[in-house]
Amino acid sequence: ELKVEQNPLFLSMQEGKNYTIYCNYSTTSDRLYWYRQDPGKSLESLFVLLSNGAVKQEGRLMASLDTKARLSTLHITAAVHDLSATYFCAVDIGNYGGSQGNLIFGKGTKLSVKP
Amino acid sequence: KAGVTQTPRYLIKTRGQQVTLSCSPISGHRSVSWYQQTPGQGLQFLFEYFSETQRNKGNFPGRFSGRQFSNSRSEMNVSTLELGDSALYLCASSPGGVLGYTFGSGTRLTVV
Repeated sequence: ELKVEQNPLFLSMQEGKNYTIYCNYSTTSDRLYWYRQDPGKSLESLFVLLSNGAVKQEGRLMASLDTKARLSTLHITAAVHDLSATYFCAVDIGNYGGSQGNLIFGKGTKLSVKP
Repeated sequence: KAGVTQTPRYLIKTRGQQVTLSCSPISGHRSVSWYQQTPGQGLQFLFEYFSETQRNKGNFPGRFSGRQFSNSRSEMNVSTLELGDSALYLCASSPGGVLGYTFGSGTRLTVV
């Protein structure tokens, strides 16, 4: 069975602290995505990781992909309240050499950043 | 640049009825996929269309169906609604290749 496991599922952080969210997956794939979802809202694309060793950074967030270990991480640096949201990783398992719309999502990590 | 547009935003239906949801992808995007999001099951893939052809289908009963038109707009239909079909239905579009997916704002369906 294909599985995408995120941990932790809940994360309460103090502002200014650093933390890492982990995303492990059970199938071969070299395409992984990170999304952010605010309550009652849709999914906002954060990172597209397309190869082993890919690392991308945007502001206080940095994502990496290790396809050999089937592991992606989302690192948060010096958290601020505005980062409070649910973060999802998603593995693309489609068969057509590109985006095929068949994403398997993790259960999400609900992040709460407190002053 | 217009994003992915889903209509309607909210729907309330009665058990046994059917419903049709619409998704207009970003201009030039030929791939449209649909997802169901519930608190219990999370985000689950329903199906994906590319150039009017269904290429992938998730593990949902036949009551869930979809189609894509020549202008890439897509609809999904759920027949004989059940209480468990209450969910946020999200549509995503992609130009193809490895450029990722853009999600619409979703349609929140409540079945009573």
